[in-house]
Amino acid sequence: AQSVTQLDSHVSVSEGTPVLLRCNYSSSYSPSLFWYVQHPNKGLQLLLKYTSAATLVKGINGFEAEFKKSETSFHLTKPSAHMSDAAEYFCVVSFSLSNNDMRFGAGTRLTVKP
Amino acid sequence: GAVVSQHPSWVICKSGTSVKIECRSLDFQATTMFWYRQFPKQSLMLMATSNEGSKATYEQGVEKDKFLINHASLTLSTLTVTSAHPEDSSFYICSARVSGSYNEQFFGPGTRLTVL
Repeated sequence: AQSVTQLDSHVSVSEGTPVLLRCNYSSSYSPSLFWYVQHPNKGLQLLLKYTSAATLVKGINGFEAEFKKSETSFHLTKPSAHMSDAAEYFCVVSFSLSNNDMRFGAGTRLTVKP
Repeated sequence: GAVVSQHPSWVICKSGTSVKIECRSLDFQATTMFWYRQFPKQSLMLMATSNEGSKATYEQGVEKDKFLINHASLTLSTLTVTSAHPEDSSFYICSARVSGSYNEQFFGPGTRLTVL
C-alpha cells in the first residue's frame, strides 16, 4: 500500500537552531516526493521536490531534503531556523503508476521561538 | 509562471444553498485539476480528479451528487457544493497539473467555506 507518514505532528525550535522535519513513505513504485509549506489561511507553497534525479534536493528559503531509498525517508532540514519559518509543513508523495494524484502526510506544525 | 487562482477566497452561505468555487490556471493549460478539502488543523484530503472534457473521478466516500465538478476548459474547473450543510464548512483547495509535466501540481490559495 502507498502511504506517507510524518513522524512529528509538532516541532518546536529556537531561532537560529537547525530544523528537522521527518517523513517516511511506503510505495511499491518509484515515488516522486515533495515538501510543501502552508502559512495560516494561505495556499500551499512548494519548497522542493524529488523526482529520481539527485538524492539531495535543495529548495527555497534554505531548506533541503535527502531521499534515502534504503530508509524510505525524505526528511526536511534547514541549518538555521528563522521566525518566518513558523508554519505547517506537508510531505507529499506522488505514486508513479497511479493517476498522478498526490497523497499528503498529516502535516508537521513548526514553531520557532525567539 | 504556473499560477493557479481560486474564486472566491472565502464564502459564507446559509444551510441548504449551493456554492460554486472556481479554479483557474492563469498562465498555463491544465488537462487535469484536483480538488482537495482541508478541515481545521488537518491535512489535505483529495476529493476528486477532474480531467478536461470528461467526468471527474471521485475518491471513495465523496458524494459526486453533492460535490459537482465541471472542467469545461483547459484553464477552468468548478466545484459546486450543493445543498450545503454546516458539516461542509472547510477549506477547499484546487491544484492543476501542467500538461506534459510529470506529477507536478500547482496549488491555488484555497477557498474557505462557512455554512451557517
